[in-house]
Amino acid sequence: GNSVTQMEGPVTLSEEAFLTINCTYTATGYPSLFWYVQYPGEGLQLLLKATKADDKGSNKGFEATYRKETTSFHLEKGSVQVSDSAVYFCALSLQGNNRKLIWGLGTSLAVNP
Amino acid sequence: DGGITQSPKYLFRKEGQNVTLSCEQNLNHDAMYWYRQDPGQGLRLIYYSQIVNDFQKGDIAEGYSVSREKKESFPLTVTSAQKNPTAFYLCASTNRGNTIYFGEGSWLTVV
Repeated sequence: GNSVTQMEGPVTLSEEAFLTINCTYTATGYPSLFWYVQYPGEGLQLLLKATKADDKGSNKGFEATYRKETTSFHLEKGSVQVSDSAVYFCALSLQGNNRKLIWGLGTSLAVNP
Repeated sequence: DGGITQSPKYLFRKEGQNVTLSCEQNLNHDAMYWYRQDPGQGLRLIYYSQIVNDFQKGDIAEGYSVSREKKESFPLTVTSAQKNPTAFYLCASTNRGNTIYFGEGSWLTVV
């Protein structure tokens, strides 16, 4: 079946450290891939997305590349800030489906000053 | 500005009581969703609707009900049959591009 697996958190980093949050997926067909961010007590916001293999999504210094050969969509940022502390969700959506997203369980990130 | 509005932000329910969470969107989206999020957990789909007057059960529909009488509105009722309703509830909608947009969420607590 279709699924998304994220690295378990919590992830704790110092400010300006390099961030990687791993995400791998299993899907039939050609999914679109997403990263969402959830700040404490709020809803989810789209961070970035990629719709086909080798696409790179980017936003606010975050990047993720759609790797079909490794079925991965790892989230990276070169220098994290305290304000990046949040929960990050990886998700996929299949073409022609009923527009449900398949969600990872989320990875909590805490950035210390 | 367009967006999704959920209300109330905080709601308390007594045992045996039904409560309704409101979700309104002015994005002209066809599809709307309700998710439940428990502390430290991921999202679980309760119900979704792809068009007015039609909706489908998600993964954890038991104890919940919805209606979709208008395109803009997708209220969720948490019934007394839901034995563990304390959670954070998220409403979402999507356009044809598959990107989902979320409301700010509603906290429901049983007292």
